[in-house]
Amino acid sequence: AQSVTQPDIHITVSEGASLELRCNYSYGATPYLFWYVQSPGQGLQLLLKYFSGDTLVQGIKGFEAEFKRSQSSFNLRKPSVHWSDAAEYFCAVGAREYGNKLVFGAGTILRVKS
Amino acid sequence: DTAVSQTPKYLVTQMGNDKSIKCEQNLGHDTMYWYKQDSKKFLKIMFSYNNKELIINETVPNRFSPKSPDKAHLNLHINSLELGDSAVYFCASRPLAGGPNGELFFGEGSRLTVL
Repeated sequence: AQSVTQPDIHITVSEGASLELRCNYSYGATPYLFWYVQSPGQGLQLLLKYFSGDTLVQGIKGFEAEFKRSQSSFNLRKPSVHWSDAAEYFCAVGAREYGNKLVFGAGTILRVKS
Repeated sequence: DTAVSQTPKYLVTQMGNDKSIKCEQNLGHDTMYWYKQDSKKFLKIMFSYNNKELIINETVPNRFSPKSPDKAHLNLHINSLELGDSAVYFCASRPLAGGPNGELFFGEGSRLTVL
């Protein structure tokens, strides 16, 4: 069965510090991987996605993520966090073999302290 | 122009009532979805339609009935509302059901509160 795990429910970082949000997946197929961000009261916005090719993908707002097949991970990173990055972040996984249905992780709430 | 729009944004109602949430997308996408986000922020797919045809139905109670009059609209009707139905419901769309370009475009959500 497909599953996505985001081990950290909350993360607090100082403004300007680096950030890494973890995502692990369990899939019996070649996955498509996504990171979405949700600001309070808003819908989800796509940050970046991985389908194939270069395992390091760049997204919007200075975010990047690296696909590591051996670790079944797709961690999200940002070298220097801004206060406006405070939001909830969702990792999602899909696969053609599963009808491209996206399965979401439980989310990680990012707090930024000044 | 709003790409995926949902109405209403907020809905407060009594147990046992019937209510509908509407969704429209102007992106020309073929596939539309309903997701439910519970109080713990966990997002779970409920339904997916491709060109008005139901393709995913994730063991949702049959009190929930999606309706897609055309590929730009996917409405969600809920009968006999229960307390546990309180959640934020997100509509989303995607260009192709079977293609690799799997980015979902989300609406802003409809917060349903059942009293």
